[in-house]
Amino acid sequence: GAVVSQHPSWVICKSGTSVKIECRSLDFQATTMFWYRQFPKQSLMLMATSNEGSKATYEQGVEKDKFLINHASLTLSTLTVTSAHPEDSSFYICSAFRLAGEGSNEQFFGPGTRLTVL
Amino acid sequence: GEDVEQSLFLSVREGDSSVINCTYTDSSSTYLYWYKQEPGAGLQLLTYIFSNMDMKQDQRLTVLLNKKDKHLSLRIADTQTGDSAIYFCAESKGGYNKLIFGAGTRLAVHP
Repeated sequence: GAVVSQHPSWVICKSGTSVKIECRSLDFQATTMFWYRQFPKQSLMLMATSNEGSKATYEQGVEKDKFLINHASLTLSTLTVTSAHPEDSSFYICSAFRLAGEGSNEQFFGPGTRLTVL
Repeated sequence: GEDVEQSLFLSVREGDSSVINCTYTDSSSTYLYWYKQEPGAGLQLLTYIFSNMDMKQDQRLTVLLNKKDKHLSLRIADTQTGDSAIYFCAESKGGYNKLIFGAGTRLAVHP
């Protein structure tokens, strides 16, 4: 099956520091990856669409200078939370899009990264 | 606009069937999905249905789609304690289009 990993699985940082989260598709190539944010007991909110070799497309209300996305290869996308503040504490989930043939169009999700900013 | 709604909580007894409901507003949605999320984990795709289908069955899971009413349901037969999780429905237009998620239904299975 298609596996997506995220690293780290959890991170605690001080306010004002930057944190990088990696999303890797382990056994398939992903031209498109998505970054989501999930607050406790809430749904996933799409932050941005990451396309390999081009700039990410951010959803309305998401600061692109604060959440830097790089999709340098077909198997790796990174999300960097710059100058993190306590309100950035959340569960960040990535997904990788794999064209699986007719009727699927499946996104495979990573296990998530829990960020806590002190 | 885009909106997906679900009831937030469902409690069932082990062995009974669970039915989780979802409504959506975008009639141009092509694919409708059900995802399962266990505590502290990412999402696992359970099943999906193409918009030109009415029903899809996969082992204990049955998905019903009423396109006229924009209503989607997931039935889990013989619900087990391992089915306790949050279930999200989602819609998309397919291709590289983004998924729009509902708020999730928390399923609690008790003995």
